[in-house]
Amino acid sequence: NAGVTQTPKFRILKIGQSMTLQCAQDMNHNYMYWYRQDPGMGLKLIYYSVGAGITDKGEVPNGYNVSRSTTEDFPLRLELAAPSQTSVYFCASRPPGASTDTQYFGPGTRLTVL
Amino acid sequence: DAKTTQPPSMDCAEGRAANLPCNHSTISGNEYVYWYRQIHSQGPQYIIHGLKNNETNEMASLIITEDRKSSTLILPHATLRDTAVYYCIVRANSNYQLIWGAGTKLIIKP
Repeated sequence: NAGVTQTPKFRILKIGQSMTLQCAQDMNHNYMYWYRQDPGMGLKLIYYSVGAGITDKGEVPNGYNVSRSTTEDFPLRLELAAPSQTSVYFCASRPPGASTDTQYFGPGTRLTVL
Repeated sequence: DAKTTQPPSMDCAEGRAANLPCNHSTISGNEYVYWYRQIHSQGPQYIIHGLKNNETNEMASLIITEDRKSSTLILPHATLRDTAVYYCIVRANSNYQLIWGAGTKLIIKP
């Protein structure tokens, strides 16, 4: 298994541009998550999904959108990029079953908005 | 807001046990304690979790006080590769509510 994969690894955007951060997992996990991590801080949840076709907002959803058309993929869309969205973005997945919350993380996408 | 309190940094000598404390005085009865770590520039990695009892796995041991208001993560024989930021997280049994604090930066010294 490749686990959780994310593309791209790095990206520089200009203010007002848009882009999609890709996330895929091959573990048949139904839960998937998008986090952002600012320097020296912990992770903040942006959006999450409990299965294909179902998404919901986390702590910091403004400026982002997600979709979940398949179990494997959970892309994060940035519309009208702003400098405040400069961060490292992590995607994670979790196997079914509500008794634990063992999340598996991707390697991250480092985004800079200038 | 983070529901846990951890020291910002700690040092430990290579080969010794690293004991990382965490206070979670407002923890409720159904909230688990989770530990993750993040090696520089990588995604976080799950270490261990517990509810009431002490837990041990191949990576670490988790000691939870009887009143559940604090816990300690123990890395029994720390190596240089254990240098990372360690996050203590409490979570209710829900879909997503992992609240990440700033963690403890653990530096293992040769």
